[in-house]
Amino acid sequence: NAGVMQNPRHLVRRRGQEARLRCSPMKGHSHVYWYRQLPEEGLKFMVYLQKENIIDESGMPKERFSAEFPKEGPSILRIQQVVRGDSAAYFCASSPAGEDYEQYFGPGTRLTVT
Amino acid sequence: AQSVTQPDIHITVSEGASLELRCNYSYGATPYLFWYVQSPGQGLQLLLKYFSGDTLVQGIKGFEAEFKRSQSSFNLRKPSVHWSDAAEYFCAVEAGTYKYIFGTGTRLKVLA
Repeated sequence: NAGVMQNPRHLVRRRGQEARLRCSPMKGHSHVYWYRQLPEEGLKFMVYLQKENIIDESGMPKERFSAEFPKEGPSILRIQQVVRGDSAAYFCASSPAGEDYEQYFGPGTRLTVT
Repeated sequence: AQSVTQPDIHITVSEGASLELRCNYSYGATPYLFWYVQSPGQGLQLLLKYFSGDTLVQGIKGFEAEFKRSQSSFNLRKPSVHWSDAAEYFCAVEAGTYKYIFGTGTRLKVLA
């Protein structure tokens, strides 16, 4: 059973470009969570999604960030018009329905904005 | 508000010495508790977790942690550290809201 998959693992974008980060949850998991790790910090919750629904986006910056988890395909975290401060590691986690307390983390995508 | 504190930002130990990394949390009830390890540029690896039951939890790589309700602590221990244990260690809690709350991490350096 493959774990949580994220791609790309590394992403370099120039200021003003868009970044798209993908997350494929573990097989059988219908809940996805995104976390951001700024340099020298712990992970911070961004958003919680179920298939076709955003359940909680309280940790998402109000502008330029969006997330989706379509009926088919991976979850996408989208950052528009990236700025240097968006440089971070973005981790996705997934869990089965009803087991939100046990999340399995992917390897992360390291975004560098130049 | 729920929070996790890892008071030690950096810890240096000699190879073969014992290790204890501290973690304190703030939450009214007993949360679910986790310890993760992260090597530079890598993802998170789960070392161990506590949900309920025996308060001494065994994990991978020879690590263990003890939940102490009275102290709101979940300290990570290893009797004999190996050079390969050098990494950053994160304590995390899930306090009934599906949001994992992470500490700021403790960076472990191991001297040969």
